[in-house]
This record gives sequence, structure tokens and C-alpha cells, in this order.
Amino acid sequence: GENVEQHPSTLSVQEGDSAVIKCTYSDSASNYFPWYKQELGKRPQLIIDIRSNVGEKKDQRIAVTLNKTAKHFSLHITETQPEDSAVYFCAASISSNTGKLIFGQGTTLQVKP
Amino acid sequence: KAGVTQTPRYLIKTRGQQVTLSCSPISGHRSVSWYQQTPGQGLQFLFEYFSETQRNKGNFPGRFSGRQFSNSRSEMNVSTLELGDSALYLCASSLETGPGGTQYFGPGTRLLVL
Repeated sequence: GENVEQHPSTLSVQEGDSAVIKCTYSDSASNYFPWYKQELGKRPQLIIDIRSNVGEKKDQRIAVTLNKTAKHFSLHITETQPEDSAVYFCAASISSNTGKLIFGQGTTLQVKP
Repeated sequence: KAGVTQTPRYLIKTRGQQVTLSCSPISGHRSVSWYQQTPGQGLQFLFEYFSETQRNKGNFPGRFSGRQFSNSRSEMNVSTLELGDSALYLCASSLETGPGGTQYFGPGTRLLVL
């Protein structure tokens, strides 16, 4: 069935280090992959997304890579800052005609000053 | 533009009761999706509405239902509440339906069932 696996579940890094979160999806028909950041008590906010016709996308300190053959995509955060601390969710859009998102279980990122 | 709004923000109900949650999308957005967020199950898709029609439904029992009005505002209803329905219910709006339409989330309604 439709499934998105996300690893690791928790990640602790020192300020200035890089952080990498990986997701694997099951349905090869998936063609849209957003990443959301959710701070404690707040709504999920889109930080970056990628479509299946693109292999990599960058936005300042954030980048996402997609490997369609292996069916996995990753979030890379460079030069981490304490304000990057949050829960990060990957998602995949499975259906061909709806906006249904299948989410990974989330990664709690802690950036230590 | 104003963001997605949800009312009420907090709700306490008892088992067996029913509840109605409301979501107002970003102006001009026609697609509204609903998700349930719990610590154990994460974010799970409930259903999506576009132009007053349910486009897709997740794996939830029939006690969970929804609808969308002509102004794109959406409501979801949960009947015969169970303790396990305690969760944060999030709605998200998108300009269009279909994959690739960026979904913007509301602040959520936190439901506690006693």
C-alpha cells in the first residue's frame, strides 16, 4: 500500500553542522514530494518541495534530492541554527488526481548551540 | 492574503458525542484537505474536497465525514466520538487539486475526548 518511511526519528547536531533526513516511498507513481517543518504548538509549514522531473532543488541552506530509481528523497540542512530545531515531515503525493499527501513519521531535529 | 483558519481551536467532548470542525481556506483556494495528527500515528489523510466534491478519502471509519460549501469553506464531522479520536485536526488548502498543488495548513483544532 501507500507508505512513506522517514529516518531518523530523532537527530541531534551541533550548531553549524549539517543535518540530513531521508525518506523512502513505496508507490512509483508518486510525483510530488514536499517537506514541512512543524515547531512545537504550531502548524506545519512548507519549507521546500520537489517534483519528479527534478533531481535536486536548493533554497539557501536547505536542499532536497530525489532518486526516482531508488524511490527515496532527502532533506539537507547546512549550517544549522538553533531556530532550525523542530519536527520535519516528508510527504509524497501518491494519487494522480487528488491532493492527498502521505506523510512520513517525522524527524525531531535538535540543534545544540 | 489571510491564511487558513480553523475553528474552534480547542474542543473537549465526551465519548459518544459528535463534533463539527470548520476550516476556511485561503481566498481563492478551492481544494481543502483534512488530516489527523496524533503522536502515535503521525499525520494521516482524512479526505479532500474540491468544488464541493469529495475527491479522495483516507482509511477512517464512516464516523468521519465532511463537506465543502460553495465558498470553499469546509467542515468535518465526527460522530459517536471515541477516546482514540483525541487528536489535532488540521486542514490544508490548495489553489487546485492534484499532486503538486502546495498545501497550506491551518493552525488546527485540538480535540480532547474524555
